[in-house]
Amino acid sequence: DAGVIQSPRHEVTEMGQEVTLRCKPISGHDYLFWYRQTMMRGLELLIYFNNNVPIDDSGMPEDRFSAKMPNASFSTLKIQPSEPRDSAVYFCASRIAGTGGEQYFGPGTRLTVT
Amino acid sequence: AQRVTQPEKLLSVFKGAPVELKCNYSYSGSPELFWYVQYSRQRLQLLLRHISRESIKGFTADLNKGETSFHLKKPFAQEEDSAMYYCALSNAGNMLTFGGGTRLMVKP
Repeated sequence: DAGVIQSPRHEVTEMGQEVTLRCKPISGHDYLFWYRQTMMRGLELLIYFNNNVPIDDSGMPEDRFSAKMPNASFSTLKIQPSEPRDSAVYFCASRIAGTGGEQYFGPGTRLTVT
Repeated sequence: AQRVTQPEKLLSVFKGAPVELKCNYSYSGSPELFWYVQYSRQRLQLLLRHISRESIKGFTADLNKGETSFHLKKPFAQEEDSAMYYCALSNAGNMLTFGGGTRLMVKP
């Protein structure tokens, strides 16, 4: 298995544009997590899914952010409209139920909003 | 609310010196604690978990409930240990709350 796959790896966009980040979890994993990493705030959980259903989105910063998981092998995190303060590295992670806290992370998407 | 605190953003030691990365937590339940590591240009990965009580790459961590700490230790640092280290707490095995991270630099 190639592990958790994220695309794109780098994204540069202008303020006001829509940004879509993609994630493919490890096959068979039933939890999927989206995190944001910044120098100021560290690693923050944005939202997580269980069996494709959003369970906790309390970390989503505001209505400009939305996440979907239409099936077990794909999830998206969308920012519309994007702002410079959204610049960060966005990580996707997945895990199997019952394995406690071990989550498997993707390589991340570095987003720069100018 | 649960919280994880890593007081040091940067820790710099010489090769062969002992290392201790500090982690303190606050949680009302019975905590499950983990250390994750991110090497340069690699993805974040699990280093060790407190329930395993194992040593990975020479690192150990002991959960001290009285002091609410889970410090990561290694008696002799190696250059390849240079990385970003995150302490994390799990609530009932679903969400992970991460500390702010400590960058360890091991100088030759």
